[in-house]
Amino acid sequence: ETGVTQTPRHLVMGMTNKKSLKCEQHLGHNAMYWYKQSAKKPLELMFVYSLEERVENNSVPSRFSPECPNSSHLFLHLHTLQPEDSALYLCASSQDGPADTGELFFGEGSRLTVL
Amino acid sequence: EDQVTQSPEALRLQEGESSSLNCSYTVSGLRGLFWYRQDPGKGPEFLFTLYSAGEEKEKERLKATLTKKESFLHITAPKPEDSATYLCAVLPMEYGNKLVFGAGTILRVKS
Repeated sequence: ETGVTQTPRHLVMGMTNKKSLKCEQHLGHNAMYWYKQSAKKPLELMFVYSLEERVENNSVPSRFSPECPNSSHLFLHLHTLQPEDSALYLCASSQDGPADTGELFFGEGSRLTVL
Repeated sequence: EDQVTQSPEALRLQEGESSSLNCSYTVSGLRGLFWYRQDPGKGPEFLFTLYSAGEEKEKERLKATLTKKESFLHITAPKPEDSATYLCAVLPMEYGNKLVFGAGTILRVKS
């Protein structure tokens, strides 16, 4: 495996379900990110971890909960989501910290549909 | 407030018909400007970094240029495989500010 891998690629969940998105990077990078991508809107930064420490939480609702157990893995735990949370969730990594680079390596994304 | 605007929203070209995509930005100071390509159903793929006005970068049929207020992505003699969404992002100078993305330009090249 190379690059940034996200699972699952597609997820359908009800509003009362609990699910998790997983991201793994094989690049030896120091920072990992979660972005939300909705149609015709700019990428929205949700969470940033640098050296496993969370450095950014862009006012994301508490129904989204990140976890970074080590520098290679990142999770996004989901619970009691709303239909407007349906979107493509992208994981990314970078060699340098989030304030120092715009060269991000993205995974292929997890397409989430909330019914 | 830091802002990035891309135009046009969508662009249709015939194969071989050269054109340009625009990325205008408003930031307190620019540390870098970044172009990405995103294919349908996939994550963005990094293309170029530009740091200062007058700088240019090239890759195959793509050339990115930078001024103090905007960047252009020039596409010369495009092919159908150049069809994708092109994203622009800026990293503001102010320490701690994070990458700001534009909404993208959807490019379709028809043969």
